[in-house]
Amino acid sequence: EVQLVQSGAEVKKPGESLKISCKGSGYSFTSYWIGWVRQMPGKGLEWMGIIYPGDSDTRYSPSFQGQVTISADKSISTAYLQWSSLKASDTAMYYCARLVHSSSWYLDYWGQGTLVTVSS
Amino acid sequence: QSALTQPASVSGSPGQSITISCTGTSSDVGGYNYVSWYQQHPGKAPKLMIYDVSNRPSGVSNRFSGSKSGNTASLTISGLQAEDEADYYCSSYTSSREVFGGGTKLTVL
Repeated sequence: EVQLVQSGAEVKKPGESLKISCKGSGYSFTSYWIGWVRQMPGKGLEWMGIIYPGDSDTRYSPSFQGQVTISADKSISTAYLQWSSLKASDTAMYYCARLVHSSSWYLDYWGQGTLVTVSS
Repeated sequence: QSALTQPASVSGSPGQSITISCTGTSSDVGGYNYVSWYQQHPGKAPKLMIYDVSNRPSGVSNRFSGSKSGNTASLTISGLQAEDEADYYCSSYTSSREVFGGGTKLTVL
């Protein structure tokens, strides 16, 4: 069974750093891209970027380039999303999802989400 | 402003059919057959309902169908059921990334 399990909710202060995780299981982690999606409170889905754990090839949405860093450790089948200096506007639910990209393009399995709250 | 345009809300009675539109450009919806639709219930993660314009993943009811004409994709739900009440998001491939619609809230009356 394919599963993506994300790390737990975080409460941080502005200016702090944060790294959240997404652990894949039940499939070849190095053969699929992993995408990250933001959902701000009461708002829609926003594509942040993707990483291919096989070689760590990473692509960012222009809106998030320079704002976050996406990485992966294939030895433990885990992808990461990190911030060096959080802002209140980073408060949101963050989802990871597996991207099917071979002659297709869609997110077929999603993590349960990680709620990040940034408040002074 | 979202890259893809969806109606903010649609509604229908149990048993009826509804259609949600998703309008993009020739750079996304119109340029590729890589449109997908996601269902999201409150407090839950999104769930894939349609991929590659009109394909249903295993386990998704055949009451859900997708289509595309030009720069506009559509999701049709037939035989509406109470459990279909949720937010629906379209998305499309464009330039090595995915763009989402703003979402449509479906209310089952």
